[in-house]
Amino acid sequence: GAVVSQHPSRVICKSGTSVKIECRSLDFQATTMFWYRQFPKQSLMLMATSNEGSKATYEQGVEKDKFLINHASLTLSTLTVTSAHPEDSSFYICSARDRGRTTGELFFGEGSRLTVL
Amino acid sequence: QKEVEQNSGPLSVPEGAIASLNCTYSDRVSQSFFWYRQYSGKSPELIMSIYSNGDKEDGRFTAQLNKASQYVSLLIRDSQPSDSATYLCAVKVGAGGTSYGKLTFGQGTILTVHP
Repeated sequence: GAVVSQHPSRVICKSGTSVKIECRSLDFQATTMFWYRQFPKQSLMLMATSNEGSKATYEQGVEKDKFLINHASLTLSTLTVTSAHPEDSSFYICSARDRGRTTGELFFGEGSRLTVL
Repeated sequence: QKEVEQNSGPLSVPEGAIASLNCTYSDRVSQSFFWYRQYSGKSPELIMSIYSNGDKEDGRFTAQLNKASQYVSLLIRDSQPSDSATYLCAVKVGAGGTSYGKLTFGQGTILTVHP
């Protein structure tokens, strides 16, 4: 149980294009999903908290107009990197909390490695 | 002071030894603590959770929590080369606000188990 699927796992795009990453909870409902970014040899950095049916909450320093987050259902959240630039190249990882559990752990998707040329 | 601190290592232990990973946190009201394992190029995988003071054992893994000292540790007994990974300590921030329940991660400790 508690499987989170993330797609695509790898994407290469040209500078200036937009890229959408999907995060799905496959066997549980997630009212809250979290999007992280990880640069090589660094830890996870929380970008935003995605709440089902409401606007996402962005961490300080994260541009909400550049990283669009939509959480339209209890099992799906999407992150769109708009007008991507080489400095946006990173490993993006979503995570979800099972609303049926009270223990608070997060379950992570497989991650999406974005390379912007 | 960082909210969650770990020794970045690398920590190198021989196969069969006990690996000891440590983590301190700054928010006294933190309630939930987690250890994740992350292999290179992969996403984190939950291996242990602990919520009350004391020890919690699961197979070769033991998590220890001391809330008074704001300290949580992970022991790996009979370490195997397949345990070589980065271990992330995560602390659940208190309730309230739209970022309810977010986890704050330490920078991770790189563990290498050599044959």
